[in-house]
Amino acid sequence: EAGVTQSPTHLIKTRGQQATLRCSPISGHTSVYWYQQALGLGLQFLLWYDEGEERNRGNFPPRFSGRQFPNYSSELNVNALELEDSALYLCASSLEPGEGNIQYFGAGTRLSVL
Amino acid sequence: RKEVEQDPGPFNVPEGATVAFNCTYSNSASQSFFWYRQDCRKEPKLLMSVYSSGNEDGRFTAQLNRASQYISLLIRDSKLSDSATYLCVVTYGQNFVFGPGTRLSVLP
Repeated sequence: EAGVTQSPTHLIKTRGQQATLRCSPISGHTSVYWYQQALGLGLQFLLWYDEGEERNRGNFPPRFSGRQFPNYSSELNVNALELEDSALYLCASSLEPGEGNIQYFGAGTRLSVL
Repeated sequence: RKEVEQDPGPFNVPEGATVAFNCTYSNSASQSFFWYRQDCRKEPKLLMSVYSSGNEDGRFTAQLNRASQYISLLIRDSKLSDSATYLCVVTYGQNFVFGPGTRLSVLP
């Protein structure tokens, strides 16, 4: 069974551009989570989607946005890129929201903003 | 105070050593606890869930102390392949909060 898949693996952009990152959850999982991990730092929660709706949002500016499609895949969009947006962006999925539901991670998209 | 705190390390230990990590959390309503491991430049992977009664998986033992609001991870007989960053995860409601991680280097 396929795990969480993310694309692209690497993405290089310049300041002011927009980036779109994609995630396909494990089959049967309805919840998708996005995290940012800057080099040498911990995971920072960005967004959580479940059943097509945004359920929770971390402490990030509105230029970080996303959506979840009917097939539960998800997209993260980052507008007006800044140098400090350079990071590993990780997507995770879980079977359903709620206590105790383990999150499984994809390999991430490494975004470099030049 | 941060929601989840961990010793940053790094912990540098020789092969065969026993090493323990602690993780403290601030929200007493927290319900579920996990340990993940993250290898350099890779995604986090679930190591083990942490149950109230404590649990063991081979060389790894996890403990939960609700009264003091901390969880621990004990690794016995360390292997070179145990070198990684260990992330403590605490959930409350529908929030899944990662600690900053503790880096472990097992030396030959």
